[in-house]
Amino acid sequence: GQQLNQSPQSMFIQEGEDVSMNCTSSSIFNTWLWYKQDPGEGPVLLIALYKAGELTSNGRLTAQFGITRKDSFLNISASIPSDVGIYFCAGRSLTGRRALTFGSGTRLQVQP
Amino acid sequence: KAGVTQTPRYLIKTRGQQVTLSCSPISGHRSVSWYQQTPGQGLQFLFEYFSETQRNKGNFPGRFSGRQFSNSRSEMNVSTLELGDSALYLCASSLNTNTEAFFGQGTRLTVV
Repeated sequence: GQQLNQSPQSMFIQEGEDVSMNCTSSSIFNTWLWYKQDPGEGPVLLIALYKAGELTSNGRLTAQFGITRKDSFLNISASIPSDVGIYFCAGRSLTGRRALTFGSGTRLQVQP
Repeated sequence: KAGVTQTPRYLIKTRGQQVTLSCSPISGHRSVSWYQQTPGQGLQFLFEYFSETQRNKGNFPGRFSGRQFSNSRSEMNVSTLELGDSALYLCASSLNTNTEAFFGQGTRLTVV
């Protein structure tokens, strides 16, 4: 089945630092989504990517759909305390089961 | 535009009982997916419905079932509850089966 490797598992950074996390897949995806989840809440969609090579920004967040269609990364610039949470990547392929496959998450902690 | 609404938010059940969770998708969205989230297994796909038809199913036992109504609202049912069914159950709503998914706040199920 499809596997998504997300790294790093956790990060502890100082406020103002930039953050980068990525996901790699064992199969080709046609959609990459990035979510943020706060404790006890559902994941909130941050960025959606639909085309290989696509680079999309949402405020201080930037995500890219890898050229090989098997990877994606998310960057957060100038982190602030409210960026704390768990970030998930999710991918969807057009073949086989089309449901979203989720990465295991990156737990981000920001030191003020 | 109202978001995805899941009810109830919290639920405590006893082993052997059954439970029904409800999800109202974003207005106009016809696809509803269900996920189970646990600390050990992460986000696991349960099933996806589109226009009242189950389109995809994850690797869960037959105790887990669902349905979708003509107004796109969905319910999932878990019968003969086990302790291991304790989890956050998340519903995601999409315009169709290959667009971005928006999550509800989830239902926290505790089986005692």
